Amino acid sequence: EAAVTQSPRNKVAVTGGKVTLSCNQTNNHNNMYWYRQDTGHGLRLIHYSYGAGSTEKGDIPDGYKASRPSQENFSLILELATPSQTSVYFCASGDPGRSNERLFFGHGTKLSVL
Amino acid sequence: QQKVQQSPESLTVSEGAMASLNCTFSDGTSNNFRWYRQHSAKGLEVLVSIFSDGEKEEGRFTAHLNRANLHVSLHIREPQPSDSAVYLCAVSSNTGYQNFYFGKGTSLTVIP
Repeated sequence: EAAVTQSPRNKVAVTGGKVTLSCNQTNNHNNMYWYRQDTGHGLRLIHYSYGAGSTEKGDIPDGYKASRPSQENFSLILELATPSQTSVYFCASGDPGRSNERLFFGHGTKLSVL
Repeated sequence: QQKVQQSPESLTVSEGAMASLNCTFSDGTSNNFRWYRQHSAKGLEVLVSIFSDGEKEEGRFTAHLNRANLHVSLHIREPQPSDSAVYLCAVSSNTGYQNFYFGKGTSLTVIP
């Protein structure tokens, strides 16, 4: 079973501060994704990546940056955190080479911006 | 953009009774549908994947897909209290990047 590990599990940040959420996957998937989950909205895609060095905007990228320095690691960066970014963030990885791609999810990072 | 809606928002069933969850979507050309389960404060666990019209069974979980009706359902046979969780429907995007669009979820409670 593919493993996706997120860190930290919980984070409290101050408004205007910089926050970096990290994700590591061990199954050599090319695709990685960052979602946020909010009550009333479900999971929404922020950024994704096709491989090392690639980052692409998802459906709600404003206020976020992403970095994919290697196949295994994908970070989500909030340069100037705002209270509206308080949410639970999920990282996922998947195998794009198949039509039946499934996503493997991390356990989530709960971020509170005060 | 794929629009995914789930119903009901919450569902309570007795242990052993069938639980049925519904999901509608807006683009019938998708060919990759997933049901995930999310226990409180935990990640998502895939239950059933279905890629063509009809039925797909994985243990006590059965998905039914009807793309002409823009509908996919999940039926849980003999639910147990440990099945109490939020169930998420995910539908693939057929445009541009490979992505899944998620419904807001159905919160299932199974009472002993």
